[in-house]
Amino acid sequence: GAGVSQSPSNKVTEKGKDVELRCDPISGHTALYWYRQRLGQGLEFLIYFQGNSAPDKSGLPSDRFSAERTGESVSTLTIQRTQQEDSAVYLCASSSTWTGEQFFGPGTRLTVL
Amino acid sequence: DQQVKQNSPSLSVQEGRISILNCDYTNSMFDYFLWYKKYPAEGPTFLISISSIKDKNEDGRFTVFLNKSAKHLSLHIVPSQPGDSAVYFCAANSGGSNYKLTFGKGTLLTVNP
Repeated sequence: GAGVSQSPSNKVTEKGKDVELRCDPISGHTALYWYRQRLGQGLEFLIYFQGNSAPDKSGLPSDRFSAERTGESVSTLTIQRTQQEDSAVYLCASSSTWTGEQFFGPGTRLTVL
Repeated sequence: DQQVKQNSPSLSVQEGRISILNCDYTNSMFDYFLWYKKYPAEGPTFLISISSIKDKNEDGRFTVFLNKSAKHLSLHIVPSQPGDSAVYFCAANSGGSNYKLTFGKGTLLTVNP
């Protein structure tokens, strides 16, 4: 079946603009995660959604970052008033259970000029 | 504060030889460890994992060893193949929040024919 998909694959924006990144998880996966990978760094956990439970937003770096998920489907990560330090690859993953293997999408490469 | 450390940014081995990738961690609450493999322009894919109640887990050519007292784990690939060339990430989580993986910075493995 289809894997996790993300769009756009690349996004170049100007400092101060808002961006919206999209993630389509594997159908039937109840858990969805967002991570960020800055150049030369490991993946940083951002936010986790599990079914209808309140999301774990503990990894979001500032209040400029927010994410939504409708039911067990698509999720969007929004970054407001982008800064150059937001430049990174943003990765989405989903899993069938909260302890299950996380399947990653190809990521969105965000460049803030 | 890096809780998962991969101190070798890169490793080069000959085809057919053993590849050993190392990972150290500082958080004694971690009780589950995973290795992910990442090709360029793709998301990480799960490779192998180990629970803290074990000291070894084997899956085909891939074996992960865990030394809890030293807070160290390693991934052995035998025999190495050119298709194994990729970035390998070590990751860990703890039982209370299984979903929140903490990643190392990764090691680029190059297997030369």
